[in-house]
Amino acid sequence: GQNIDQPTEMTATEGAIVQINCTYQTSGFNGLFWYQQHAGEAPTFLSYNVLDGLEEKGRFSSFLSRSKGYSYLLLKELQMKDSASYLCAVIRGYNKLIFGAGTRLAVHP
Amino acid sequence: KAGVTQTPRYLIKTRGQQVTLSCSPISGHRSVSWYQQTPGQGLQFLFEYFSETQRNKGNFPGRFSGRQFSNSRSEMNVSTLELGDSALYLCASSQDREADTQYFGPGTRLTVL
Repeated sequence: GQNIDQPTEMTATEGAIVQINCTYQTSGFNGLFWYQQHAGEAPTFLSYNVLDGLEEKGRFSSFLSRSKGYSYLLLKELQMKDSASYLCAVIRGYNKLIFGAGTRLAVHP
Repeated sequence: KAGVTQTPRYLIKTRGQQVTLSCSPISGHRSVSWYQQTPGQGLQFLFEYFSETQRNKGNFPGRFSGRQFSNSRSEMNVSTLELGDSALYLCASSQDREADTQYFGPGTRLTVL
């Protein structure tokens, strides 16, 4: 199966922490990516998880549990510029990314 | 290092016409993937090329085709355009490993009238 599920929309306050969840079907899993996409722009790479655990990169962290088919993206110290869509994608086979529908995050002052 | 470039950035066509989009990958990247993004279907994989060979293909009709040249530049072609082909077409490049980070170009916005 190809289902990748993530919440459609989230809102948060500037300076706060937000966690965006993603669940996926585990068959054929080769790794999981998170991308950020601002309106009208191309997706930009945030993180890549292939093994279980937490990957931290500045204000952004991503977690993966392969057995549970579950990942989350954690954004700390939210800034207004973090308002964007966050895309969870699973890679299957040769560079074939299967994307979730994306989570639109709105950061308010 | 320059990023992925795509030309043209915007394109308007009418139903029944065909269109060719171009993508130049990051220098040294040998894999090029194409995606279609629409509000209703989100980002969907079209196909992937490596060393001039299509290695992977998504679930799109045969009207969608592509190719890759020896310098890793890639083109995709859509024939007999339909209204539903209006979308943002994104190209992404990566190095030659099977599951590598893909870096996206700015996209080509295609409008079919």
